[in-house]
Amino acid sequence: DAKTTQPPSMDCAEGRAANLPCNHSTISGNEYVYWYRQIHSQGPQYIIHGLKNNETNEMASLIITEDRKSSTLILPHATLRDTAVYYCILRYQKVTFGIGTKLQVIP
Amino acid sequence: DTGVSQDPRHKITKRGQNVTFRCDPISEHNRLYWYRQTLGQGPEFLTYFQNEAQLEKSRLLSDRFSAERPKGSFSTLEIQRTEQGDSAMYLCASSAGQGVNEQFFGPGTRLTVL
Repeated sequence: DAKTTQPPSMDCAEGRAANLPCNHSTISGNEYVYWYRQIHSQGPQYIIHGLKNNETNEMASLIITEDRKSSTLILPHATLRDTAVYYCILRYQKVTFGIGTKLQVIP
Repeated sequence: DTGVSQDPRHKITKRGQNVTFRCDPISEHNRLYWYRQTLGQGPEFLTYFQNEAQLEKSRLLSDRFSAERPKGSFSTLEIQRTEQGDSAMYLCASSAGQGVNEQFFGPGTRLTVL
């Protein structure tokens, strides 16, 4: 499986946009970029996914660079409930999570 | 639809005992996945089923681990002769259809081996 690299932790002020980066320089042409998050003591929750184009849903936006070697998850108005570990993963048949980014939203 | 459920939520056992966990996926999801998560790490893939067929197993899945999905609905994960290193959260997820549909995760079963 291709690997992803994320910063281990980030802080974001409540109400501000949280921009979470992910590098996936060895991504292959058919691999989608998925983002999940895991709030303490819960199972991971799907956020968004994309292949080439930028995507937006009610939770977040996903910006994928033209060469597909990196992406950014954007939470437009972070709230305290967005405090979680965010995982950027590449998936074809199965999912292999890394350590993710621990996002702390600060009041 | 109540989502993916797992039972039990917590299990404490002594080393050497066998344990079995159950996962009930979202209705009509044909794919079911098992993961293991240790403290401070992301979930690690163990195995997955498409309907009743077990299509892939990770190298993490030693001979002491066995998973079944006999009727293509619920699944069980059994660990024989548990070891302290088996202590972890065991997560189940399901997804619909073919291809790249998102996975929906259950709350997990936390196993503690004494």
